[in-house]
Amino acid sequence: KNEVEQSPQNLTAQEGEFITINCSYSVGISALHWLQQHPGGGIVSLFMLSSGKKKHGRLIATINIQEKHSSLHITASHPRDSAVYICAVGDVGDMRFGAGTRLTVKP
Amino acid sequence: EAQVTQNPRYLITVTGKKLTVTCSQNMNHEYMSWYRQDPGLGLRQIYYSMNVEVTDKGDVPEGYKVSRKEKRNFPLILESPSPNQTSLYFCASSLRGIVGELFFGEGSRLTVL
Repeated sequence: KNEVEQSPQNLTAQEGEFITINCSYSVGISALHWLQQHPGGGIVSLFMLSSGKKKHGRLIATINIQEKHSSLHITASHPRDSAVYICAVGDVGDMRFGAGTRLTVKP
Repeated sequence: EAQVTQNPRYLITVTGKKLTVTCSQNMNHEYMSWYRQDPGLGLRQIYYSMNVEVTDKGDVPEGYKVSRKEKRNFPLILESPSPNQTSLYFCASSLRGIVGELFFGEGSRLTVL
C-alpha cells in the first residue's frame, strides 16, 4: 500500500463544475503540499498545509490531521484548470508523493 | 525575479559518462531537494539538503551524489549514468524546509543511452 493515496486517478468535468480531489496518507507528517503540473511538465505549488484550511481564489484545500486526509476543491472549474494535481507529504525534509490526479475540464 | 534554475534542460548522454545537473536558487532558501519523475512511478525524492553542508538521502538515492557547498547551489551528480536513470528531474527549494512553500525548477529531461 502506498504511503500517499490520491483519488480519483482521472477526472473529467464540465466547465463550471465543483471538483474535489482527495489525498490520504499513512505516515506522520509536518506538512502536506498540493502541487499542479500542466502538460509540458512544470510544477507549481498551490498550497502548503499543516492544519485547517486555506483558500486562494477558486481553490480551497483542507487537511484533517487526525484522519490523515486532505482535500483539494476547485470551485467554478475552467478549462485552464486542466492539469495533474499531486499531493505530497513530508516530515523535516523527507517527501513522499501521491500518483497524481489528471483533471480535464471541458468547455 | 525569484526562481530556481536548472541546467541543462535537456541532455542525451551515454552509459558511464559522468554528468552534473546544476540547480541554483536566488531566494536565499535553506532547503533544496532533487526529485525524479517517471511514468507510472510519479515523483520520488532523490536527495535533500536542509542547509549548507547538510544533505540527506531521499527515497531513491542510489546512483546519485549531491553537494551543498553554498546556499544557492545544489548540483546533482551522476558519476556513472545508466539507462535506468533516464528520467525527468526536478529541483526545488524552500525557505523553511518542507513547511515552507516549494519553488520548483523547470525540469531537466535526461536520456541515458
